[in-house]
Amino acid sequence: QKEVEQNSGPLSVPEGAIASLNCTYSDRGSQSFFWYRQYSGKSPELIMFIYSNGDKEDGRFTAQLNKASQYVSLLIRDSQPSDSATYLCAVGGSYIPTFGRGTSLIVHP
Amino acid sequence: GAGVSQSPSNKVTEKGKDVELRCDPISGHTALYWYRQSLGQGLEFLIYFQGNSAPDKSGLPSDRFSAERTGGSVSTLTIQRTQQEDSAVYLCASSLDVGAGTDTQYFGPGTRLTVL
Repeated sequence: QKEVEQNSGPLSVPEGAIASLNCTYSDRGSQSFFWYRQYSGKSPELIMFIYSNGDKEDGRFTAQLNKASQYVSLLIRDSQPSDSATYLCAVGGSYIPTFGRGTSLIVHP
Repeated sequence: GAGVSQSPSNKVTEKGKDVELRCDPISGHTALYWYRQSLGQGLEFLIYFQGNSAPDKSGLPSDRFSAERTGGSVSTLTIQRTQQEDSAVYLCASSLDVGAGTDTQYFGPGTRLTVL
């Protein structure tokens, strides 16, 4: 049984702070890792994907992957109230990715 | 280009009726997925299509659920004899292929199903 674990939160951070979202996974054979953002009542939208160990930066977002520790994280710098949403971690490697249940992020002014 | 589209956006039906939900994937995407998301819950995988291969139906919750994909493009999810517990948002996603670098999923807007 492949598992992807996320803290359900909510994670509350002040505007302008760094939000750190974490995800662990059970399948060592996993090859691809995704972060999706889902606003309330909307469908998930891709923020970032990462395949190699290390960091990947895209604007205010940084994904970090550590395959040895089976850990992937998403950092959001200069958090904005518009970043308030549920963040889903997804792990691929077989043809059906496994999604975590998501972490709710609240950025308060 | 156009994204994944789904119809209808909302569907209200009576218990016991059959419903059909439609998904039109991104052109050229060979992989298509159906998920279900109940209020406040995570994504529940239902079924996966890849090209002309037999679909992976391992996530379908009961034999009341079925899906088909015609011509490797449009897919229809059918729920027979709907029950109140079927009420959820049904999400469709497509990806270019399977394998690192091409398996990013793009989601449609979903169909909100309410069974009275």
